[in-house]
Amino acid sequence: KNQVEQSPQSLIILEGKNCTLQCNYTVSPFSNLRWYKQDTGRGPVSLTIMTFSENTKSNGRYTATLDADTKQSSLHITASQLSDSASYICVVSDRGSTLGRLYFGRGTQLTVWP
Amino acid sequence: EADIYQTPRYLVIGTGKKITLECSQTMGHDKMYWYQQDPGMELHLIHYSYGVNSTEKGDLSSESTVSRIRTEHFPLTLESARPSHTSQYLCASSGQGASGNTIYFGEGSWLTVV
Repeated sequence: KNQVEQSPQSLIILEGKNCTLQCNYTVSPFSNLRWYKQDTGRGPVSLTIMTFSENTKSNGRYTATLDADTKQSSLHITASQLSDSASYICVVSDRGSTLGRLYFGRGTQLTVWP
Repeated sequence: EADIYQTPRYLVIGTGKKITLECSQTMGHDKMYWYQQDPGMELHLIHYSYGVNSTEKGDLSSESTVSRIRTEHFPLTLESARPSHTSQYLCASSGQGASGNTIYFGEGSWLTVV
């Protein structure tokens, strides 16, 4: 069964600190992995997208890594800001269908305290 | 910034009422999707479309229906709303990018059925 598991479920950090969010998946055949940021009551916004051949990708203070062999990804946030408080969702796409079906994790709820 | 719009953002309606959630995108994307998301849970695909006059049901059984008469428009309709339909509904569209399909989400429509 194709699944995407994220950890931790929730995380609280102080402003200015770094943090790392984890994503493990069993989706096969793998196409790409995306990280989204979803503010409360809003739609998800894309942070990064990585294909099989990409190991790391950065978007400002966000750096995503991908190990396709172990089927793990991480999202590292540097020098956190209050505006980083949100749910971070890992989404994995397969290439077994024309649609490129998406499998969503439940997200990690990050709270940044001043 | 994504050019995909949903209306209404928030709606409270009575049981048995008919409701249509609107979704429009101006990016010329062929693929469009409707997801349902309960608070703290993952997104579930309820409908998708490859293009005009093409609609398919997603993974999660839904009593809603969709239509795709124009490329830019993908409305979702509930003929007779029930309290179990209370949820957030997210519309998305996708187009080809350098790393594969980039998926853009609308801001979501929060539906409460009383």
